[in-house]
Amino acid sequence: DQQVKQNSPSLSVQEGRISILNCDYTNSMFDYFLWYKKYPAEGPTFLISISSIKDKNEDGRFTVFLNKSAKHLSLHIVPSQPGDSAVYFCAASAETSGSRLTFGEGTQLTVNP
Amino acid sequence: NAGVMQNPRHLVRRRGQEARLRCSPMKGHSHVYWYRQLPEEGLKFMVYLQKENIIDESGMPKERFSAEFPKEGPSILRIQQVVRGDSAAYFCASSPMSGLRNTEAFFGQGTRLTVV
Repeated sequence: DQQVKQNSPSLSVQEGRISILNCDYTNSMFDYFLWYKKYPAEGPTFLISISSIKDKNEDGRFTVFLNKSAKHLSLHIVPSQPGDSAVYFCAASAETSGSRLTFGEGTQLTVNP
Repeated sequence: NAGVMQNPRHLVRRRGQEARLRCSPMKGHSHVYWYRQLPEEGLKFMVYLQKENIIDESGMPKERFSAEFPKEGPSILRIQQVVRGDSAAYFCASSPMSGLRNTEAFFGQGTRLTVV
């Protein structure tokens, strides 16, 4: 039962353009969402998060949008840089499950120079 | 300021052997989480521990797997009688807060277990 889904295994964009990574969830109890970035042979690195009381959170080039009615969130990276090339994981948690994170399968982003 | 340290980075075990994976949390962090990533999949939660206590082990397989976080020393994830399906990357994360939402959880580089 995949409660967090990232339907695009890969995404390729040109340097300077916008990257949009998508994530869908099914569990209505999820109320906190995070994006992690992962390089090969390294652990995930926290990127940005959003609480369900908000619909947008911005941090520099990274913006996360949350559409609760559609149970959908997206990560926008603009402008994209070659160093952004990595696997991006969407994760969700519910207050009732405290520290437990449910991850999506990940999307491999490639930013071409 | 060392991050979360996991060792070994790579571990090869024959079927039926035991695997011990270690995780030293960041300085000042008393909460540890273990996740497993199977090939082509996302990370799956296994267990959440505080010093000397297992808080949530709802993601742990019922048999062969155990975890501890003693008062002194690293957290240990132990897999007895390994099988090929245990081959995966095992990640540890630590945080300073309880019941957190993981914004302050830092991940280690992982241990890649290969069962031959």
